[in-house]
Amino acid sequence: GENVEQHPSTLSVQEGDSAVIKCTYSDSASNYFPWYKQELGKRPQLIIDIRSNVGEKKDQRIAVTLNKTAKHFSLHITETQPEDSAVYFCAASLSNTGNQFYFGTGTSLTVIP
Amino acid sequence: DTAVSQTPKYLVTQMGNDKSIKCEQNLGHDTMYWYKQDSKKFLKIMFSYNNKELIINETVPNRFSPKSPDKAHLNLHINSLELGDSAVYFCASSHGTSSYGELFFGEGSRLTVL
Repeated sequence: GENVEQHPSTLSVQEGDSAVIKCTYSDSASNYFPWYKQELGKRPQLIIDIRSNVGEKKDQRIAVTLNKTAKHFSLHITETQPEDSAVYFCAASLSNTGNQFYFGTGTSLTVIP
Repeated sequence: DTAVSQTPKYLVTQMGNDKSIKCEQNLGHDTMYWYKQDSKKFLKIMFSYNNKELIINETVPNRFSPKSPDKAHLNLHINSLELGDSAVYFCASSHGTSSYGELFFGEGSRLTVL
């Protein structure tokens, strides 16, 4: 089955700096890579996603890049703000097994004011 | 209007007891899931149902039994609870079997086994 690794497990940045979270996946058949944000005590919510036919996608301060050859994808947050503090999860999805999402182990991001 | 709702939100019980968590979605989605999030925040899929049929059953103890009376509901029943079952259980739903479907999570049910 798919194996998704995520690094780092914790990340602290100063407000205004950038944050980068990296994930690798094992199954080359995976073709959809969403990122979820989970604030303390709340549910995970989708913040951005990327499909395998795209190398980069941006939405305001967040962007995701995908390298299919190397089987890794990254989340970039620029101009970080305290409200960006949360746990971020990457995921990979195998289209040929229906709606099966494999999550990374999560990154706890702290933005220091 | 809550899209994915699950009850109860908190559940404290003794080892050996049987308990259920209910989940309902009003998004018209075809696929529903149960995820377990442990104390280290790992999100692990347990089950997935599509139109009331089981399509994913990860390696979980058979003390856990999901039931889907219709495609808007997916309940989780746990028998003979153990300390290691303590976790937050998230119900989720998505549209169809397309791998591009966004997962909508419920608020979670925090289970504490004493």
